[in-house]
Amino acid sequence: DTEVTQTPKHLVMGMTNKKSLKCEQHMGHRAMYWYKQKAKKPPELMFVYSYEKLSINESVPSRFSPECPNSSLLNLHLHALQPEDSALYLCASSPRTGARGTGELFFGEGSRLTVL
Amino acid sequence: AQKVTQAQTEISVVEKEDVTLDCVYETRDTTYYLFWYKQPPSGELVFLIRRNSFDEQNEISGRYSWNFQKSTSSFNFTITASQVVDSAVYFCALSEAPWRANSKLTFGKGITLSVRP
Repeated sequence: DTEVTQTPKHLVMGMTNKKSLKCEQHMGHRAMYWYKQKAKKPPELMFVYSYEKLSINESVPSRFSPECPNSSLLNLHLHALQPEDSALYLCASSPRTGARGTGELFFGEGSRLTVL
Repeated sequence: AQKVTQAQTEISVVEKEDVTLDCVYETRDTTYYLFWYKQPPSGELVFLIRRNSFDEQNEISGRYSWNFQKSTSSFNFTITASQVVDSAVYFCALSEAPWRANSKLTFGKGITLSVRP
């Protein structure tokens, strides 16, 4: 079982909706990440948090808004998404706080998002 | 710029066969890390191994083994006596100089392995 828990596992939303994806880890890791993965593609880095501070934003559109309320939680707030944003959103944590996930990453099972 | 090439896109084997997944990388750094991840149908990426550039020793973990050869810039992964549960997408990844602020984990495109009973 993965030690990174993501909810919800599946989400369907309209383009005008506001929703949030949640991620939780209790391994004491101080680096947390959001990745986006389209079908049959490798994961693409979106955001990196290090010690609860946003350290990397890979030029992600503002309709995606990350939040790290504490060292165990990571949220991704979604607003006014487009159908092309439909993907698997993966959260990861790492014991190493290298800039962009240079240590071993522990991934959750992902939240599969469909935007209608 | 760093690059990871997984030339095989899909491999299908019968249970108990051995299978090797190839990974070739490019980097200008002398210090870097290589990784393999497994992504089963459930979706999560499972960390399998990390190898740093100074450690060319091959590694064996149960039915899994990894062959790292700097001379050919390859980090191949072999599954011995494959099982149906090995069916997944396997990603090779590279991270250059982790102390650099712009260091990044680069994934290959992944190999879909299907193991038939």
